[in-house]
Amino acid sequence: DADVTQTPRNRITKTGKRIMLECSQTKGHDRMYWYRQDPGLGLRLIYYSFDVKDINKGEISDGYSVSRQAQAKFSLSLESAIPNQTALYFCATSGVADNEQFFGPGTRLTVL
Amino acid sequence: GENVEQHPSTLSVQEGDSAVIKCTYSDSASNYFPWYKQELGKRPQLIIDIRSNVGEKKDQRIAVTLNKTAKHFSLHITETQPEDSAVYFCAASRGAGSARQLTFGSGTQLTVLP
Repeated sequence: DADVTQTPRNRITKTGKRIMLECSQTKGHDRMYWYRQDPGLGLRLIYYSFDVKDINKGEISDGYSVSRQAQAKFSLSLESAIPNQTALYFCATSGVADNEQFFGPGTRLTVL
Repeated sequence: GENVEQHPSTLSVQEGDSAVIKCTYSDSASNYFPWYKQELGKRPQLIIDIRSNVGEKKDQRIAVTLNKTAKHFSLHITETQPEDSAVYFCAASRGAGSARQLTFGSGTQLTVLP
């Protein structure tokens, strides 16, 4: 089945370290998104990309950067991780003609 | 930007009873309102959505209603079952097709008691 995958699934790191979270999809979708989920705050959009040459900031982009290496790959980087970036991170995709966003399984990141 | 408020944050119901979750939005130009369900340890999944040109939509035991004048929309689950226990998120967006930035509510933890 076509799917959205994320690596790693869990990561513990220290303050100041550079971290990269990766997202891959076999759905053939052009549009990809990165969200973070915090208890009581729902899902908040970090960055989104409508095609390989398009990158847009979301609601909470400070402290994050992204790279769209190919249609199927969208990476999220934390250049210098801080404890308040501890959260569950989700990648999502959607097709051009479709409203539904399909989420990956999530990456649980802990910054000590 | 858009702001979506969701209530209640937690909801417990007896199996077989109905559950209602309410959301309000701030941007009068928002025209698409999906609901996502997230089971424990799983990814969010779309369960139902509604566009601004429709007042109500049903899919088996779930329904969504939209009041554009008041800028609020609600999820209704009838004949609740234990497998309905999950966190439910509402969202709102403007734009066309999948060129949408979803703004999510803070979520409602629904527990269906046997």
